Amino acid sequence: KNEVEQSPQNLTAQEGEFITINCSYSVGISALHWLQQHPGGGIVSLFMLSSGKKKHGRLIATINIQEKHSSLHITASHPRDSAVYICAVRSGNQFYFGTGTSLTVIP
Amino acid sequence: NAGVTQTPKFRVLKTGQSMTLLCAQDMNHEYMYWYRQDPGMGLRLIHYSVGEGTTAKGEVPDGYNVSRLKKQNFLLGLESAAPSQTSVYFCASSRTGPYSNQPQHFGDGTRLSIL
Repeated sequence: KNEVEQSPQNLTAQEGEFITINCSYSVGISALHWLQQHPGGGIVSLFMLSSGKKKHGRLIATINIQEKHSSLHITASHPRDSAVYICAVRSGNQFYFGTGTSLTVIP
Repeated sequence: NAGVTQTPKFRVLKTGQSMTLLCAQDMNHEYMYWYRQDPGMGLRLIHYSVGEGTTAKGEVPDGYNVSRLKKQNFLLGLESAAPSQTSVYFCASSRTGPYSNQPQHFGDGTRLSIL
């Protein structure tokens, strides 16, 4: 049983394309995080959401609490966006992580 | 700013050997976490600590022990390594607890292979 499901698992896009990664969760949450894991393995936090929408540069994250769903959008994608994007939710004292979406952006 | 530093970055052990992974953070964070990441699975919480001198079990604690003797350090120990513990281990820290929704800061990971 996975508390967090992401789709797609793998995604290949041409440079400049608009990209959407989806996350659905089954537990009650206090916040949802989007993380980026680079090919070298390091993980950085991109967004933390509890409602609505956040934007940072070319990245936009939205969350619908009623539908238990979040999306991460990348506008004008670039090869440096190639990474694994991980959705994580905080429920009580625990974090639950999705298995990640591997994104490759081709020049 | 170092952030969260994990040592070592790579290690190969034989079954039955013991070792300790060190996580150090210089952000004065209260909360620290140890995760493992395996292919096809999301990060899974092994143990966590809500402050100096306190630890708690996460989702997959068996075969591991932890200690938080100093606020800045969180140690993960394998007393008798098993091949099933081959994984990439990540340490993370956050300023305060779950209800404040502070983001976690991650280390670069430790790749551990048990032969």
